[in-house]
Amino acid sequence: GAVVSQHPSWVICKSGTSVKIECRSLDFQATTMFWYRQFPKQSLMLMATSNEGSKATYEQGVEKDKFLINHASLTLSTLTVTSAHPEDSSFYICSARRDSSNTEAFFGQGTRLTVV
Amino acid sequence: AQRVTQPEKLLSVFKGAPVELKCNYSYSGSPELFWYVQYSRQRLQLLLRHISRESIKGFTADLNKGETSFHLKKPFAQEEDSAMYYCAPPNNTGGFKTIFGAGTRLFVKA
Repeated sequence: GAVVSQHPSWVICKSGTSVKIECRSLDFQATTMFWYRQFPKQSLMLMATSNEGSKATYEQGVEKDKFLINHASLTLSTLTVTSAHPEDSSFYICSARRDSSNTEAFFGQGTRLTVV
Repeated sequence: AQRVTQPEKLLSVFKGAPVELKCNYSYSGSPELFWYVQYSRQRLQLLLRHISRESIKGFTADLNKGETSFHLKKPFAQEEDSAMYYCAPPNNTGGFKTIFGAGTRLFVKA
């Protein structure tokens, strides 16, 4: 099967600091990865599409400078929450596709970020 | 705008009762739609996809072009079916990405 792993699974940070979340495809190469945000008892909100070797495409309303995305290799995408504030506390989920066709998306286990 | 809609946020049924989670779409033609499921404390995972026309964990979903629907059905609900269910659309413009609707929380009561 295709496995996507996120690290860390949870993180607590102080307000004003930056936090990096990693998303790795363990047994396949992912040219495209996606980052979502999920609030309690709500649906997943797509934040951005991460393309290997190029700039990420952000959804409307998502601050590019706030949520830095880097997709430096075919198996790793990172999301950095810069100058985190309590309102950034959320569950962040990444997903990856094997190829560019419309196939199944494989999801990471998610990262719970708490900003205090 | 092209999208999928899940009209019910919460669906509560008794164990053994039939269940139908509704999904309507506004895409033209025969879109390749998916149903994803998120069990408590687990990651989101694919339940079934339209093109495979298979039954997974007793669930089936048929694309109805006339009603533009892709409802998820199971004849006899089980407690372990309690989860969050998302109907997902095909690739969107500007790239291949999965944008989720509101989702439906299924609660199966004993």
